[in-house]
Amino acid sequence: DTAVSQTPKYLVTQMGNDKSIKCEQNLGHDTMYWYKQDSKKFLKIMFSYNNKELIINETVPNRFSPKSPDKAHLNLHINSLELGDSAVYFCASSQVQNEQFFGPGTRLTVL
Amino acid sequence: AQSVTQLGSHVSVSEGALVLLRCNYSSSVPPYLFWYVQYPNQGLQLLLKYTTGATLVKGINGFEAEFKKSETSFHLTKPSAHMSDAAEYFCAVSEEQAGTALIFGKGTTLSVSS
Repeated sequence: DTAVSQTPKYLVTQMGNDKSIKCEQNLGHDTMYWYKQDSKKFLKIMFSYNNKELIINETVPNRFSPKSPDKAHLNLHINSLELGDSAVYFCASSQVQNEQFFGPGTRLTVL
Repeated sequence: AQSVTQLGSHVSVSEGALVLLRCNYSSSVPPYLFWYVQYPNQGLQLLLKYTTGATLVKGINGFEAEFKKSETSFHLTKPSAHMSDAAEYFCAVSEEQAGTALIFGKGTTLSVSS
């Protein structure tokens, strides 16, 4: 039983394409997040949603658009992909004391 | 603004030796503190956390950490390293308010030699 799952695990695409990453959690948590891990393994928050409402929107290009159809799902859509978007994207969820549970990550490679 | 500093981007120990990974934070209010471990090509797994109460916190896999407010530190230790401990370790801080982001340090790569 995977607590936080992401699809796909790997995503290889050309510059200029549009792609989506899906995230689902079965923990019953109210809050979900997207983090980006760069090539130096630095992790930074991108977005968070609480009960389908956007609460954190860091300085991220507006090519990135999160969507939360329900509180168990948080998807990330990226338009006009650029080389610099290559990274590992992690979804996470939390409920109490801000303890966050992370998904396995999606490695995005833009060629 | 909160920030986290992990001293030493790479720590090498021998199997059976003490593991000490350093983490200092800056925060205007007492934060929540976390240590996560990341094995190659995997997600992050929580090792331990400090929220309130006892300042010495025990986690999984024999790790523990001590919150020292006067030193703004939350160093991670393990008495005896195991080969399986080789991984990337991240210290993180957050505000108490639910749903706030984790602010991560840059990580420390732990290598364990036999």
